Order: sequence, then C-alpha cells, then structure tokens
Amino acid sequence: AQSVAQPEDQVNVAEGNPLTVKCTYSVSGNPYLFWYVQYPNRGLQFLLKYITGDNLVKGSYGFEAEFNKSQTSFHLKKPSALVSDSALYFCAVRDGLGTDKLIFGTGTRLQVFP
Amino acid sequence: GAVVSQHPSWVICKSGTSVKIECRSLDFQATTMFWYRQFPKQSLMLMATSNEGSKATYEQGVEKDKFLINHASLTLSTLTVTSAHPEDSSFYICSAGGTSGLLEQFFGPGTRLTVL
Repeated sequence: AQSVAQPEDQVNVAEGNPLTVKCTYSVSGNPYLFWYVQYPNRGLQFLLKYITGDNLVKGSYGFEAEFNKSQTSFHLKKPSALVSDSALYFCAVRDGLGTDKLIFGTGTRLQVFP
Repeated sequence: GAVVSQHPSWVICKSGTSVKIECRSLDFQATTMFWYRQFPKQSLMLMATSNEGSKATYEQGVEKDKFLINHASLTLSTLTVTSAHPEDSSFYICSAGGTSGLLEQFFGPGTRLTVL
C-alpha cells in the first residue's frame, strides 16, 4: 500500500533562515507526490507536485521540493523563511494508478519566528 | 483558476438534526470530488469519493447511511450528515479533481460542524 511519512510534528526556524520539512514515501510503481499547506481553519492549498522529470520541483510562494528516489524522500524546502509561512504542511502521494485518491501524511507544523 | 467553495463555512446544530454541506467547483468541471474529515491537530481522513452521476465510494468504517453524498453535477457535490450527534463534530473538507491534465486535488475552505 502507498504511504507517506512526515517524521517531524513541528519544525521551528528563524525568519530569513532556510527551512526543510521532511517527507518520505513508500509506493509500488512510480510515485506521484504532492505538498499542500493549511492555514488555521482553512482548507488545503496546493504548493507543488512531482510526477516525472527534474528532481527539483518549484512551486508556489517560493517553495521547492527535491525528489530523491534512492532515499524515497520528497522534502519541502525554502531558501528564506517568512513568518507568514507558519502553517501546517502535508505531504501526499497518489494511491496508485487508476485512482485520484491521495494518501496524506500526518502533517508538520512549521513555526517561523521573527 | 481551480477554485472550490464550501457552504456553510460553519454550522451549529442540535443533536438529531441533519446538516447539508455543499461543495462547488467554481471555474472547472470536477469529475471526482472527495470528502475528508479532520480532527484537531490531525491529518485528513478520506471519507468518500464521489463521481458525477454515480454512487459514492465510501472508505472502510464510514457509515454511508449517516454520511449521504450526492454528486448531481460536475460542479456540485453535497454531504449530508444525518441525525448528527456530538461525536460528528469535526472539520469537513471537500476537494475536487479530474480536471484535464492535472493530477492534484483542489480543496475547499472547509466547514466546521458543531453538534450540541
């Protein structure tokens, strides 16, 4: 079965510093991977996805993610964090071919301190 | 583009009543819509997948007679929580997918249901 793991419940980073939110995956076949962000009492906003091609994927709001097949990871990164980036981040993987279902990780709360 | 709305954004109801939540794709046709439930500080739990014009597919453990889903058109899906009880209080989020060439889902803003 497809799955994703987010090993950190919370990540703290100072504003202006680079940030990394970790995600590892387990899939049979080629992975379709996604990152979403959720602000308090809001739905999820799509940040970026990896389907195929370049391992470094650029997304919204200056975020990017690096797909690493050998380490089965898809870490979310940003070179310089903003206080407004503070939110809940979810990694997700598509649940196999022939379905649009997504399997979500448990989420990582990012706290950016001024 | 790819905007999904939900209505209402919050609702408070008495135990035993039914509540209907609407999910609309505003600028695209969604062949598939998903309904999730999210408890505080937890991840999203997929409740069901609905395809326009057909019966919804419920995840294991989700009562289909309690959580009625209708996907009557390519832009509208509804979730009705029947005979709601306090344990049904939660944040319900819908998403839409199936737009041509895109694999991601687009999420609504969520509906906070509180059952007294």
